[in-house]
Amino acid sequence: DVKVTQSSRYLVKRTGEKVFLECVQDMDHENMFWYRQDPGLGLRLIYFSYDVKMKEKGDIPEGYSVSREKKERFSLILESASTNQTSMYLCASSPFDGRGYNEQFFGPGTRLTVL
Amino acid sequence: GEDVEQSLFLSVREGDSSVINCTYTDSSSTYLYWYKQEPGAGLQLLTYIFSNMDMKQDQRLTVLLNKKDKHLSLRIADTQTGDSAIYFCADQGNNDMRFGAGTRLTVKP
Repeated sequence: DVKVTQSSRYLVKRTGEKVFLECVQDMDHENMFWYRQDPGLGLRLIYFSYDVKMKEKGDIPEGYSVSREKKERFSLILESASTNQTSMYLCASSPFDGRGYNEQFFGPGTRLTVL
Repeated sequence: GEDVEQSLFLSVREGDSSVINCTYTDSSSTYLYWYKQEPGAGLQLLTYIFSNMDMKQDQRLTVLLNKKDKHLSLRIADTQTGDSAIYFCADQGNNDMRFGAGTRLTVKP
């Protein structure tokens, strides 16, 4: 059974703190993604990675960075958390598929509150 | 950038059909997906359609694609209370995957 796990379901942090969100997949997928989900806005892509040590900016990378040192792990880092980063964060992974088919497998999400 | 739009809410009675609509703008779309998100969970793929198809049926689910109008719909027949969830349309173009805002389906007994 395919699995994407995220380190925390709920997280409360203070403004200015450095925050690490961890994501691990056990499917040997090449691609990994970080999204944030906000009501009425759907999913917005923050960063993605298509290989170890590779990263690409998504639509809203400002205020975030990522790290992918191992294939199975993709970390999202908030260098200095701000209240407007309060959101649900979803991690996803997908295999490389030469046909272009790109089913993404999602983790359960981390609800981050920044006070 | 390219957009994917869908209505935010839909409410139906148990046993009725539900139709969730989605429009997209990317003319290079290859695959279009429907994901389901149940409360407290991540998204899970429900079904998908390749861009050269106009219809796909899978048990209670029917996906219709009008490529000319860039319109995608998901029909759920005999809707059950367990179908209550948020449904996301996603459009895969050449470079990336774009998600709609999600349609919250509420099924009333």
